[in-house]
Amino acid sequence: NAGVTQTPKFQVLKTGQSMTLQCAQDMNHNSMYWYRQDPGMGLRLIYYSASEGTTDKGEVPNGYNVSRLNKREFSLRLESAAPSQTSVYFCASRVGGVDTQYFGPGTRLTVL
Amino acid sequence: AQSVTQLDSHVSVSEGTPVLLRCNYSSSYSPSLFWYVQHPNKGLQLLLKYTSAATLVKGINGFEAEFKKSETSFHLTKPSAHMSDAAEYFCVVITSGSARQLTFGSGTQLTVLP
Repeated sequence: NAGVTQTPKFQVLKTGQSMTLQCAQDMNHNSMYWYRQDPGMGLRLIYYSASEGTTDKGEVPNGYNVSRLNKREFSLRLESAAPSQTSVYFCASRVGGVDTQYFGPGTRLTVL
Repeated sequence: AQSVTQLDSHVSVSEGTPVLLRCNYSSSYSPSLFWYVQHPNKGLQLLLKYTSAATLVKGINGFEAEFKKSETSFHLTKPSAHMSDAAEYFCVVITSGSARQLTFGSGTQLTVLP
């Protein structure tokens, strides 16, 4: 039981490049979330998926897209990376009816 | 809207002395509140959560927090700090609705001095 896994752990992009961050959970959770963490700002929600087949915007969705591929996987895509997207990205999941979210180890992204 | 404010961005304590990390919340109804811990270059781990069952909540590693409605506070405490407690701590509130979105405070960096 690996919990929430994220790939890659580190990534460096040039401005304008695209990439997809992968997240998978093996806990049979219904809801999944993508957050970004910036210094002094805590974590902010980018997108979430309350259940398979649904996605909704969070607090800071601009510049991102998501796909809930199946119940296990929730990916975050940057179509044209910008330096302002330099951050640490965390994926989380939650089982229905319980508020606790379980976090992955994070992806550290640098956009030059 | 629900929000949390962590009153200290940095706290330093000596090993073996008490820890107090302060958090105030703003909510129009009885909130669900959490404390998460993040060790350097690691993900977030749940320390404890309050969901209205009891105002004093005990968590992992000897931490506890007390929900005080009259003061709109949810401060995190530990009687005796250990070097391994050095980390960043986040106070978190849940929003209403089906999304159950987490709203994070800005974090408190705890330093434990030998």
